[in-house]
Amino acid sequence: GIQVEQSPPDLILQEGANSTLRCNFSDSVNNLQWFHQNPWGQLINLFYIPSGTKQNGRLSATTVATERYSLLYISSSQTTDSGVYFCAPPGGTSYGKLTFGQGTILTVHP
Amino acid sequence: EPEVTQTPSHQVTQMGQEVILRCVPISNHLYFYWYRQILGQKVEFLVSFYNNEISEKSEIFDDQFSVERPDGSNFTLKIRSTKLEDSAMYFCASGVGWQFFGPGTRLTVL
Repeated sequence: GIQVEQSPPDLILQEGANSTLRCNFSDSVNNLQWFHQNPWGQLINLFYIPSGTKQNGRLSATTVATERYSLLYISSSQTTDSGVYFCAPPGGTSYGKLTFGQGTILTVHP
Repeated sequence: EPEVTQTPSHQVTQMGQEVILRCVPISNHLYFYWYRQILGQKVEFLVSFYNNEISEKSEIFDDQFSVERPDGSNFTLKIRSTKLEDSAMYFCASGVGWQFFGPGTRLTVL
């Protein structure tokens, strides 16, 4: 099945800093999701981004499917951004199982 | 905004007991999924369900597990005889392309 690698594994920032999280995947994909897992364990949908760039407030994401990677940008980070960020492309069909990476643990200090 | 709901939020059980985890997917979604996350690890796929049957299952989803859609709204995961290693957060998801996750049920097997 598809392999998913996320980097960096851990990231520590001061409030207000910007960051880029990367997701590499081994096979071509026709969609990809980014999630934020908050300290209570909930998986919050951030983006559904098969290709191109999307923006939502301070967050944006870019997927370059032909080169098999996706990037998540966080600008002007806040303490509430802390948590684990996962990327998850599907295996096989668009409606297939999501394969999660190991995640990036983000800690934002005030 | 419609959301996936799960009950209970936390379940404690004795090893060998049967548990049923319940989910109410988003009403117009056709694809349903169960995932689990052992503490500190990544999210793993268990099973997908479409048109009243299992469409895909992982190696984790052995004979101890079963899923059911008993009526038009609920989607359940049953574990027949729980083991210590079944302790995890169990997430239900539904989707029509991209997947929306419920808040999870934390299962603790003693």
